[in-house]
Amino acid sequence: NAGVTQTPKFRVLKTGQSMTLLCAQDMNHEYMYWYRQDPGMGLRLIHYSVGEGTTAKGEVPDGYNVSRLKKQNFLLGLESAAPSQTSVYFCASSRTGGHQPQHFGDGTRLSIL
Amino acid sequence: QQQVKQSPQSLIVQKGGIPIINCAYENTAFDYFPWYQQFPGKGPALLIAIRPDVSEKKEGRFTISFNKSAKQFSLHIMDSQPGDSATYFCAAKARYGGSQGNLIFGKGTKLSVKP
Repeated sequence: NAGVTQTPKFRVLKTGQSMTLLCAQDMNHEYMYWYRQDPGMGLRLIHYSVGEGTTAKGEVPDGYNVSRLKKQNFLLGLESAAPSQTSVYFCASSRTGGHQPQHFGDGTRLSIL
Repeated sequence: QQQVKQSPQSLIVQKGGIPIINCAYENTAFDYFPWYQQFPGKGPALLIAIRPDVSEKKEGRFTISFNKSAKQFSLHIMDSQPGDSATYFCAAKARYGGSQGNLIFGKGTKLSVKP
């Protein structure tokens, strides 16, 4: 029972490079989320999806793009990485958007040099 | 604009002590208040949650106290153990749909329980 799986776990990029973070969930959840976690800042929502083929902006969407072509996958892209995007990125999913618990992956630690 | 204020930022207690973590909110549309627990190198996991129609909820050694008039809620950990050492996040969610219905997290409290 994998739950939410994030790949890769660690990555170092140079400024200006691009990359895609992958999130996969095996719980048949409708909603998926991407957060970033920075020291002393808590968790901030980047983008989210309420179902296959849908995406929406969260609190801090600038510099990121997302896609949800399949219900079980939610991709986060950085087109031109900047040092300010150095962070730990967490993906989460929930059965619905109501008062349902969000299930988190174990994160991707991303460093931009 | 920080909608959920959490304190303290860090907390050290002895084994068996009762750490208390406090959160305050401003948006009266919030109607769901979960607490998440995060261990190093792991993602957050739901610990316990409360709705504003009750003033207290207990699950094992964890208790949420809720004060609707003061717009405050707190987490108490009874008989704390070294295994409770983690970062705790309070959160709040509005009843609306769309972006207003997303979880808003506090900045977290790093708890250390000494043996």
